Amino acid sequence: AQSVTQLDSQVPVFEEAPVELRCNYSSSVSVYLFWYVQYPNQGLQLLLKYLSGSTLVKGINGFEAEFNKSQTSFHLRKPSVHISDTAEYFCAVTFVAGTYKYIFGTGTRLKVLA
Amino acid sequence: KAGVTQTPRYLIKTRGQQVTLSCSPISGHRSVSWYQQTPGQGLQFLFEYFSETQRNKGNFPGRFSGRQFSNSRSEMNVSTLELGDSALYLCASSLEGDAGELFFGEGSRLTVL
Repeated sequence: AQSVTQLDSQVPVFEEAPVELRCNYSSSVSVYLFWYVQYPNQGLQLLLKYLSGSTLVKGINGFEAEFNKSQTSFHLRKPSVHISDTAEYFCAVTFVAGTYKYIFGTGTRLKVLA
Repeated sequence: KAGVTQTPRYLIKTRGQQVTLSCSPISGHRSVSWYQQTPGQGLQFLFEYFSETQRNKGNFPGRFSGRQFSNSRSEMNVSTLELGDSALYLCASSLEGDAGELFFGEGSRLTVL
């Protein structure tokens, strides 16, 4: 069965420090990969996605992620975080074959400290 | 253009009641999907509709149902509510529903007492 694992439920980090949020997936078929962000009392919005091509993907707000097929990972990084990055981040996959559903991880709550 | 609109935003029900939630997608989007979000569980897929047809369904009991209308608006219904149904229900729309970006509404927060 396909699954997405976000091992870190919470990540505290000081402002202007770098951060990495980890995501691993398990799938027997080819997948597309996504990172979404959810600010308090809001829905989710897309940060970035990997469909094909370059394994390093750049997204909005200075975030980037690298697809590693051999390690089945899609970790999210930002070199310098701001207070405004405090939010919950979700990794998700959907399937190249087309099942019309996305599987989400359980989320990582990023808290940026002043 | 207007985003995904979900109504109501908040509601409180008691066990055994039923609830209907509504979702209006972004204009032009024909795919609508529903997710249940609970703390520690992330988002769980409920179902996806495209042009009034359900194309996929998650592992939820039959008490959870949905439909899509010809104007792409969608509703989901939960009958015989249980305490464990308390959650944020998120609707998302996309152009085609297959590897396209999902655009989420702000959700309907259901509390079951």
